[in-house]
Amino acid sequence: EDKVVQSPLSLVVHEGDTVTLNCSYEVTNFRSLLWYKQEKKAPTFLFMLTSSGIEKKSGRLSSILDKKELSSILNITATQTGDSAIYLCAVPSNTGNQFYFGTGTSLTVIP
Amino acid sequence: GAVVSQHPSRVICKSGTSVKIECRSLDFQATTMFWYRQFPKQSLMLMATSNEGSKATYEQGVEKDKFLINHASLTLSTLTVTSAHPEDSSFYICSAGGGAGGTIYFGEGSWLTVV
Repeated sequence: EDKVVQSPLSLVVHEGDTVTLNCSYEVTNFRSLLWYKQEKKAPTFLFMLTSSGIEKKSGRLSSILDKKELSSILNITATQTGDSAIYLCAVPSNTGNQFYFGTGTSLTVIP
Repeated sequence: GAVVSQHPSRVICKSGTSVKIECRSLDFQATTMFWYRQFPKQSLMLMATSNEGSKATYEQGVEKDKFLINHASLTLSTLTVTSAHPEDSSFYICSAGGGAGGTIYFGEGSWLTVV
């Protein structure tokens, strides 16, 4: 059965800390993995990863895919209170007709 | 990035009535649209997948007669909650994608409160 698992489920850190969020997947004919950030409304797109070992970076956020380990990590350095959100990982099915979401990681950054 | 518009953002309806939520892709053709429900502090729960011009595929446990989904065009899908009850109160989100392996974009979400 195809699935996506995220860990940890929740995380509380202090401003300035660095965090690493994990996403592992078991999806037939894997094509890509997507990361989203969700605050009070709908998720906003962060990264799409298709190639193993190539880091994608946007400001203090970066992400990398490891196809051998069937996983991806999302790093956030020098965390700020504005980083507090649920971070979602999603993998499309083979046909693209379905997206499998992880349970999300709830990140809370304390001042 | 691509824009998906969802309307209304908030709606309050009386128990027993129906309410319709619209999801539009504004600058691309969405061959597939997804409808999710989200409970507080939980991840997205996929309700159904709709492909333009065909019937929606519902996830197990989702009542198709209660949550009517129509995807009449490549830019519009609607979710109608029929005979709404207080337990249907939730945050409903749509997303739209253009093909296999591609990025999906989310609407802004709709808060439904049934009183």
